[in-house]
Amino acid sequence: QQQVKQSPQSLIVQKGGISIINCAYENTAFDYFPWYQQFPGKGPALLIAIRPDVSEKKEGRFTISFNKSAKQFSLHIMDSQPGDSATYFCAAPLAGTALIFGKGTTLSVSS
Amino acid sequence: GAGVSQTPSNKVTEKGKYVELRCDPISGHTALYWYRQSLGQGPEFLIYFQGTGAADDSGLPNDRFFAVRPEGSVSTLKIQRTERGDSAVYLCASSPGPSSYNEQFFGPGTRLTVL
Repeated sequence: QQQVKQSPQSLIVQKGGISIINCAYENTAFDYFPWYQQFPGKGPALLIAIRPDVSEKKEGRFTISFNKSAKQFSLHIMDSQPGDSATYFCAAPLAGTALIFGKGTTLSVSS
Repeated sequence: GAGVSQTPSNKVTEKGKYVELRCDPISGHTALYWYRQSLGQGPEFLIYFQGTGAADDSGLPNDRFFAVRPEGSVSTLKIQRTERGDSAVYLCASSPGPSSYNEQFFGPGTRLTVL
């Protein structure tokens, strides 16, 4: 089954808090897991990505944690800021190179 | 440098009409993708080009949808006999090559409204 299931659908976090978004997948052939960030009226933009040969990848305030046995991966945003308010999508590659996306998580960071 | 551009940004049409949506990828990018994003959903894959050829069109919902990329650069998504259910944002993305590890750069999308 080629799906990525994302949760929660929406998230409200106070400024300075930690935002956590989760994704689960079923296809064990997936070997690349990017996260995209989308602002209203804009196209998605790559935020951070991980391959399953590592359990964690950190770039600045953004960290992906990967659990291969559970077939889950999550995005952690440390010290969340109002500018992080956006919709976040997890994704995985379909057969070939196109991506299948989760349904998205709308993050609101209150100041 | 310039990113992926899409025209028009908005298109309103009547049910049954024909529409064309254009995508200008980043110069030198050989891979080009079309996705469709409905309200509150993630982008949904439609078609993938490597160069001039459609390498994967398995996401096209039916034969009313067609896309071309005749010179391996600009691409046009064509929708015949539009239906209200076709209303969505149509996103184009490009990447330097066919590897799934390459970042896909998205354009701002064309918002299609079918009345």
